[in-house]
Amino acid sequence: GAGVSQSPRYKVAKRGQDVALRCDPISGHVSLFWYQQALGQGPEFLTYFQNEAQLDKSGLPSDRFFAERPEGSVSTLKIQRTQQEDSAVYLCASSLTGGGSYEQYFGPGTRLTVT
Amino acid sequence: GESVGLHLPTLSVQEGDNSIINCAYSNSASDYFIWYKQESGKGPQFIIDIRSNMDKRQGQRVTVLLNKTVKHLSLQIAATQPGDSAVYFCAENNSGGGADGLTFGKGTHLIIQP
Repeated sequence: GAGVSQSPRYKVAKRGQDVALRCDPISGHVSLFWYQQALGQGPEFLTYFQNEAQLDKSGLPSDRFFAERPEGSVSTLKIQRTQQEDSAVYLCASSLTGGGSYEQYFGPGTRLTVT
Repeated sequence: GESVGLHLPTLSVQEGDNSIINCAYSNSASDYFIWYKQESGKGPQFIIDIRSNMDKRQGQRVTVLLNKTVKHLSLQIAATQPGDSAVYFCAENNSGGGADGLTFGKGTHLIIQP
């Protein structure tokens, strides 16, 4: 079956532009997570959805970051007024059940470069 | 602050040898641990997980050991193959602490020498 997919795979934005990153989780997966991975580092948690409810957004670095999952499937991570420090790989993961203590399946990520 | 970390950034082993990748964690309340493998340009790929009520779990060619006394986690890979070359991350979750996401360490780059 299909895994987690993300689009675009690569995005170049000029500083100050808004970007939208899409995640298609595995069909039927309840939980969806967004992570940010800087070069040479491990992924860092951004936000968590259980179905359409955003239950945890404690990792979002600023109010320029916004995520949604309106129908409990596809999710979009939006970054407004991008800054150079936003350059990173943005990873999406989904899990069959709720909570963080279950196997999360990751997508390939979107590499965002802010120039 | 509390975090998951790794002892060695790079580990080089001969093809066919066994590899051991270590991980130290500092959150004693963590109750779920997981190892991921990440190849260049790809997302993390699940290897094996373990819960805090266990101290050992085996998969295909891999074994995870958990020592809660010293807060140490290790991943053993038997008979390493060229395809095992990647960065390996340990991660943890404290389900009882309201944390929903995984906390990852920085990673160990495993290099397989022919």
